[in-house]
Amino acid sequence: KNEVEQSPQNLTAQEGEFITINCSYSVGISALHWLQQHPGGGIVSLFMLSSGKKKHGRLIATINIQEKHSSLHITASHPRDSAVYICAVRSAGNQFYFGTGTSLTVIP
Amino acid sequence: NAGVTQTPKFRVLKTGQSMTLLCAQDMNHEYMYWYRQDPGMGLRLIHYSVGEGTTAKGEVPDGYNVSRLKKQNFLLGLESAAPSQTSVYFCASSSYPGRTFSGANVLTFGAGSRLTVL
Repeated sequence: KNEVEQSPQNLTAQEGEFITINCSYSVGISALHWLQQHPGGGIVSLFMLSSGKKKHGRLIATINIQEKHSSLHITASHPRDSAVYICAVRSAGNQFYFGTGTSLTVIP
Repeated sequence: NAGVTQTPKFRVLKTGQSMTLLCAQDMNHEYMYWYRQDPGMGLRLIHYSVGEGTTAKGEVPDGYNVSRLKKQNFLLGLESAAPSQTSVYFCASSSYPGRTFSGANVLTFGAGSRLTVL
């Protein structure tokens, strides 16, 4: 069983499209992270959320604690957004659980 | 720059050889983790540490050992490498939950270490 489920697994979009990636989790959490990994690259934390919504440039992350669900939105997508996006939750027991990632390709 | 540094970045081993991956962080984080990342699978926790001198097993600990003799360093050892250990290894560190660091990223990954076992 996976504590963290992401959808979709793969996503292809045209440049400029609005993109949504979803994350559902089954454990109690103290925080949720959205991570970005470029091909062959390292992993960078984009957001850490414990409630509500955060915005950074064209990226928006929301979380609904009651529904155990988070979304990552990318507005006006660009080819440089092509990467794998990973949802990670920090459980009440201080363990991190990771989704398998959403591979995003933005076509010019 | 503050962060997590992993060495080496690449290594090729023969079956049965041993090696150590070094992770160093300069953010005074209490928690440190070793993960492996394989195609089609999420990050899987090998071992972790909640402080200097303490280590604990994660999801896939077999064939690996770790040590945390200093707060800033977390070593991952392979005593007798096997082809199944071919993977990309990531070290990460984090602070205690509830600690606030203005503008800080409280989950920080190293750049990864690509290990191939022939």
